[in-house]
Amino acid sequence: EPEVTQTPSHQVTQMGQEVILRCVPISNHLYFYWYRQILGQKVEFLVSFYNNEISEKSEIFDDQFSVERPDGSNFTLKIRSTKLEDSAMYFCASSERGSTNEKLFFGSGTQLSVL
Amino acid sequence: AQTVTQSQPEMSVQEAETVTLSCTYDTSESDYYLFWYKQPPSRQMILVIRQEAYKQQNATENRFSVNFQKAAKSFSLKISDSQLGDAAMYFCAYRWGGSNYKLTFGKGTLLTVNP
Repeated sequence: EPEVTQTPSHQVTQMGQEVILRCVPISNHLYFYWYRQILGQKVEFLVSFYNNEISEKSEIFDDQFSVERPDGSNFTLKIRSTKLEDSAMYFCASSERGSTNEKLFFGSGTQLSVL
Repeated sequence: AQTVTQSQPEMSVQEAETVTLSCTYDTSESDYYLFWYKQPPSRQMILVIRQEAYKQQNATENRFSVNFQKAAKSFSLKISDSQLGDAAMYFCAYRWGGSNYKLTFGKGTLLTVNP
């Protein structure tokens, strides 16, 4: 089965630093998403992205966050100035058409640790 | 706002036995979808089963089935003939039909399968 690939699997950064999390969605998918899971808490939706623009975002996704599809394969999440509370597992996901009856494919996540 | 509640932080089952994981949700919408995702130690989120709210028939996928009680807003997962490979964190999730795959997750239930 095709896979969503996330790199790196674990990233450590200093508070205040910029970090970019990278994802390679499945090649024929058109809709892309970021979710995060703070340790011991629920998996939370951050943002969905289609046709090179954000289609939906949560209240968590403030000005510190941005997403980009810089080329035909990568989908990135940038955090401009990391805070301690940004420490979490970040999951990328993709779907082919964004329709209600199709499957969402998740990556294995990037564990971000902000020190 | 939609909420998803999983009241069992941990469950255990003997190999070959049956286990039921509970999930309740709250929504005022009529068009929605419910999901169970599995997260094994590899951390990848894998779709187990999906239920459309407009369908009365409970979804089944091999050894996995759901008991969807729409009036009670309950969506439990039954795993029959449990296998060691079923050991994982299980997340119940909700998606409004008008949303672009914005999933609302529960906190998860950690399932242990004892040989």
